[in-house]
Amino acid sequence: RKEVEQDPGPFNVPEGATVAFNCTYSNSASQSFFWYRQDCRKEPKLLMSVYSSGNEDGRFTAQLNRASQYISLLIRDSKLSDSATYLCVVTDGNKLVFGAGTILRVKS
Amino acid sequence: DAMVIQNPRYQVTQFGKPVTLSCSQTLNHNVMYWYQQKSSQAPKLLFHYYDKDFNNEADTPDNFQSRRPNTSFCFLDIRSPGLGDAAMYLCAIGTGRVDEQFFGPGTRLTVL
Repeated sequence: RKEVEQDPGPFNVPEGATVAFNCTYSNSASQSFFWYRQDCRKEPKLLMSVYSSGNEDGRFTAQLNRASQYISLLIRDSKLSDSATYLCVVTDGNKLVFGAGTILRVKS
Repeated sequence: DAMVIQNPRYQVTQFGKPVTLSCSQTLNHNVMYWYQQKSSQAPKLLFHYYDKDFNNEADTPDNFQSRRPNTSFCFLDIRSPGLGDAAMYLCAIGTGRVDEQFFGPGTRLTVL
């Protein structure tokens, strides 16, 4: 079983749509959680941290459910520029463990 | 200005011909990481340095070696590249805090 599992997609959505990605992780000892964004053939970049209380950054909302070992990312009012791969990341000690990512394509 | 610089950005090598990838940083962070990312897969940590302390992942093949001659530079040596080693190699730097890890642009390795 993979440590971090994500639906690979792709999710094809029109501009302005709301889209949600989910992620599950296997290591119950993980302490920190993140969403990274990776554009095609580029490096991953931190999008946002994820907290149990949930957190919002503009159009992006992240949620963590520790009991279910489940993380989500909601993107509202999708823009063309949101097209990318979204990587779910958890920690194993002081190391980052990445999911394989979910591909989002926003179309006009 | 780029914090993490990787050279070359694209590297083509022949099967079995040793290759060295380079990473440098401008921030003097303690930690430097090397990841391998194959197409449509997750970045996979190969090893990392905390200062001069080398930390190898258990499943990193012996074919992969690393050197960190000083704080600013780190090298990834692939002694005998196989076709399965074709991938993007990402260098990252960090302070040791998991939320402060910054990636370089990567080197895309092709093995012929």
